[in-house]
Amino acid sequence: SAVISQKPSRDICQRGTSLTIQCQVDSQVTMMFWYRQQPGQSLTLIATANQGSEATYESGFVIDKFPISRPNLTFSTLTVSNMSPEDSSIYLCSVGGLGQPQHFGDGTRLSIL
Amino acid sequence: EDQVTQSPEALRLQEGESSSLNCSYTVSGLRGLFWYRQDPGKGPEFLFTLYSAGEEKEKERLKATLTKKESFLHITAPKPEDSATYLCAVGNGGATNKLIFGTGTLLAVQP
Repeated sequence: SAVISQKPSRDICQRGTSLTIQCQVDSQVTMMFWYRQQPGQSLTLIATANQGSEATYESGFVIDKFPISRPNLTFSTLTVSNMSPEDSSIYLCSVGGLGQPQHFGDGTRLSIL
Repeated sequence: EDQVTQSPEALRLQEGESSSLNCSYTVSGLRGLFWYRQDPGKGPEFLFTLYSAGEEKEKERLKATLTKKESFLHITAPKPEDSATYLCAVGNGGATNKLIFGTGTLLAVQP
């Protein structure tokens, strides 16, 4: 299965700032996904990022708050904009084809002060 | 609405004490049921995929089964290294590979 690296692994940020999270895959993949895992809650899909097209956002998530880039088949970024304490969470990227299991990176642990 | 419910929320076992974790689901057009293991500070690690009722998969001390409404993860003679959070997810029948996750079962196996 693909090896997925995320940077940074953790960060502590000030309210009102923005942070860009990087996701690098060791092989070319069509579909990449960004999830949020809040304490005590399930993983929730933020958006699907396919190379060459705009990201598709799930209900409750908007591009202005979570802009995503997908410049090629091995890389994607998620930006968390204008952060507030409610954005404190684990952000995970994953890869996987239709009907196939998704494989995850180890996540970015984000705390907002 | 697509939904996944896992029970129990937490389970404490003695080493060698077998048990089962439950995953109940409602989904419009099942495109796979997935079991993951998540260790603290790590991302979910894929364990099994099940696609149709009656299907079973095994790996070491773990066995996953699937019916039309639920899946079970059976743990036989667990060891302390099996301690982790076990997550269940379903793929819905949409155009993307969206997974809907349950909140997980936190398993602690004591020596």
